[in-house]
Amino acid sequence: DSGVTQTPKHLITATGQRVTLRCSPRSGDLSVYWYQQSLDQGLQFLIQYYNGEERAKGNILERFSAQQFPDLHSELNLSSLELGDSALYFCASSRTGNDRELFFGEGSRLTVL
Amino acid sequence: AQTVTQSQPEMSVQEAETVTLSCTYDTSESDYYLFWYKQPPSRQMILVIRQEAYKQQNATENRFSVNFQKAAKSFSLKISDSQLGDAAMYFCAYRRNSGGSNYKLTFGKGTLLTVNP
Repeated sequence: DSGVTQTPKHLITATGQRVTLRCSPRSGDLSVYWYQQSLDQGLQFLIQYYNGEERAKGNILERFSAQQFPDLHSELNLSSLELGDSALYFCASSRTGNDRELFFGEGSRLTVL
Repeated sequence: AQTVTQSQPEMSVQEAETVTLSCTYDTSESDYYLFWYKQPPSRQMILVIRQEAYKQQNATENRFSVNFQKAAKSFSLKISDSQLGDAAMYFCAYRRNSGGSNYKLTFGKGTLLTVNP
């Protein structure tokens, strides 16, 4: 158990809908990362937050947004969903954002029908 | 931009034998980390081993060891005495260690390892 909690574990929805994925980092970790894993793109970095502020942005679509709250949990919002958004979404956390190791959650499997 | 390439989509090994997974990367940075992550069917990403680029000595963790060739930008993983529980997808990953605020991991496409009894 990495200590990173992601909910929901599985989610099935329809095209055009909006979903929110939630991540609780390990106790004491200030930095949260979001990754998308799909068959064609592999593991892609989406966005990083550190202590409530956006620190880095990767290949995140404009339809997607994220935030980190004062209690340090993070949410990834996916809107106007398309079939191609079906993927496994991972959250990872680290103490400072420049640590040698990231701790990954078990991921949220999103299926868009 | 940094890239990580794993040229072997699939590998198989007999139980108790040794297998080597390949990884090459491209970067202009001199200070970075390299990682091997394991993703079993449970889909949890598990850190297997880590190598700091400034260290010449290859990292070792029990049955797992790496062959880090900095000049060749090569970072292979050797699994000795393979066990059934080693069956998983293995990802090679790169992370810069200085010169900015983005310390994201860049992953290769992965190598699916099958262990045959």
